Amino acid sequence: ILNVEQSPQSLHVQEGDSTNFTCSFPSSNFYALHWYRWETAKSPEALFVMTLNGDEKKKGRISATLNTKEGYSYLYIKGSQPEDSATYLCASPTGANNLFFGTGTRLTVIP
Amino acid sequence: DAGVTQSPTHLIKTRGQQVTLRCSPISGHKSVSWYQQVLGQGPQFIFQYYEKEERGRGNFPDRFSARQFPNYSSELNVNALLLGDSALYLCASSLGDRVRDEQFFGPGTRLTVL
Repeated sequence: ILNVEQSPQSLHVQEGDSTNFTCSFPSSNFYALHWYRWETAKSPEALFVMTLNGDEKKKGRISATLNTKEGYSYLYIKGSQPEDSATYLCASPTGANNLFFGTGTRLTVIP
Repeated sequence: DAGVTQSPTHLIKTRGQQVTLRCSPISGHKSVSWYQQVLGQGPQFIFQYYEKEERGRGNFPDRFSARQFPNYSSELNVNALLLGDSALYLCASSLGDRVRDEQFFGPGTRLTVL
């Protein structure tokens, strides 16, 4: 079992604002870090899988960075839109890709 | 292409009963994982199966069991249901069981235990 933590628990931002949230994970025996977006009434959708220290990934207005030595990852959203409203989850796997999730950051973008 | 499918969508059971949840992975995916999600928490890992073998088990009692069939579909069984088993049960499939393999989630089965 891995202890994965996310902050903040929830966040309200105005449309057009940029925002970021944090995922912390054990830095020892690190294998990978997964980010998911989970919209209400839908299935969790994979955003990024990151494995290397210093990794930076980008998909449209969303990007993520990874620091495996200190055990954290940041997710950034540039110019938030109402459709970005969702719960953002991070998860770290054991060696067999059994994912251990944080509790998520619930983002609400106010039009 | 069809995504991960789960059945049933919703289920209501009473304490002490048994339940079977089903999952069909994306075609070509050989790994299936099961997660339990209760309100306010992230999904909790229950089981992973790869090529019909159990590859991981989370911190759940023996009342929970699962299996994977030759076509890679999977069933999750829960015996002697408790009120605390009420949750959304998610199934996810991936090509393999490597740590960089992206997991694709189904819509979940909402189980309510009365």
